[in-house]
Amino acid sequence: KAGVTQTPRYLIKTRGQQVTLSCSPISGHRSVSWYQQTPGQGLQFLFEYFSETQRNKGNFPGRFSGRQFSNSRSEMNVSTLELGDSALYLCASSLTGRGYTFGSGTRLTVV
Amino acid sequence: ELKVEQNPLFLSMQEGKNYTIYCNYSTTSDRLYWYRQDPGKSLESLFVLLSNGAVKQEGRLMASLDTKARLSTLHITAAVHDLSATYFCAVVLDNNNDMRFGAGTRLTVKP
Repeated sequence: KAGVTQTPRYLIKTRGQQVTLSCSPISGHRSVSWYQQTPGQGLQFLFEYFSETQRNKGNFPGRFSGRQFSNSRSEMNVSTLELGDSALYLCASSLTGRGYTFGSGTRLTVV
Repeated sequence: ELKVEQNPLFLSMQEGKNYTIYCNYSTTSDRLYWYRQDPGKSLESLFVLLSNGAVKQEGRLMASLDTKARLSTLHITAAVHDLSATYFCAVVLDNNNDMRFGAGTRLTVKP
């Protein structure tokens, strides 16, 4: 079966711009979580969506937002990009919340 | 707040040797995960531990969970070069899908 698909794989943006990342979960999985990975802060939880509703949110500023569509695909948006937003953004899908499959990630570079 | 601590953060091993990575967490949790990450890659799920005393083994890796001590271990037996990677433990708060990661253990297995 197809895994978790994240697009794009790589992205370069300029400070102040906004960006939208996409995540298509495994078919049938309704939970999608997003994580930011940086060398300095490690892996940090951004938010989790289930059936189009945000269930949990990490400690990130309001510039980071997300949504989930009726087909469970999820997008995350970062507005007014800062250099510190450069990171690998990972999404994970889950059927039951007891096992997570991660996508390949989107590597965002802000210049 | 849930905190997850791994040690050691860096581990250099000779092939054929055994070693253990430790993961301590600060509050009660009903789920603990171990992941592997190769450089520039996403996270690969290794083990999901759901109950006190749970032990799971896959090849040269064995994970265990002691919920009373809030401790999980990942034991490596007779290490081989292919095990070189970064290993993360992650804990989910009870009744929550907010997964908190440890800082990771960068394992290097030398011939």
